[in-house]
Amino acid sequence: DGGITQSPKYLFRKEGQNVTLSCEQNLNHDAMYWYRQDPGQGLRLIYYSQIVNDFQKGDIAEGYSVSREKKESFPLTVTSAQKNPTAFYLCASSIRLAAGTDTQYFGPGTRLTVL
Amino acid sequence: AQKITQTQPGMFVQEKEAVTLDCTYDTSDPSYGLFWYKQPSSGEMIFLIYQGSYDQQNATEGRYSLNFQKARKSANLVISASQLGDSAMYFCAMREWEEDNDMRFGAGTRLTVKP
Repeated sequence: DGGITQSPKYLFRKEGQNVTLSCEQNLNHDAMYWYRQDPGQGLRLIYYSQIVNDFQKGDIAEGYSVSREKKESFPLTVTSAQKNPTAFYLCASSIRLAAGTDTQYFGPGTRLTVL
Repeated sequence: AQKITQTQPGMFVQEKEAVTLDCTYDTSDPSYGLFWYKQPSSGEMIFLIYQGSYDQQNATEGRYSLNFQKARKSANLVISASQLGDSAMYFCAMREWEEDNDMRFGAGTRLTVKP
């Protein structure tokens, strides 16, 4: 089945450690995105990538890094520089249509807790 | 400035009744898209419905319809015949086509369907 997978669903890390969140899609979508969601709030964009080997910072990129070496994969690294990394992380992908609908479809999310 | 405003933190509706979730937006871009997503307790964001700024008719998808009032900059989601499974967080989002790949989300409305 086509879709977006994120692993793991729950992740625990000690403060000061870098951690990488996985996001894979087999929808043949060109664009991929990472969002952060804090309790009771909407989503905020961390990074996005429109094509392989290219990515752009979103609103809250500080303390995060990404790579896009393959179309299917867009891993997010939460570095020790991120002051408050505990949050729910959502990955999304989209395909640009001629009409400009560009709907984003989301993975199941990873809940990161830094102890 | 807040681009997407959802003024109802929480809403209750009786099963089988209709409910309207409010969303207002702010943009000077003539070309934009409005999206509604559902987020159940599992965390995954589920795409529900899309409305383009140039669409002449209100979007509908099954029990979901979007009451698009362009002059008032509102894009309210109407859920007809509510079901217990509709209980979730609902997010309104906007993408301005000149702001490449920058999708803005509201803070969300928590809908509870009562039996």
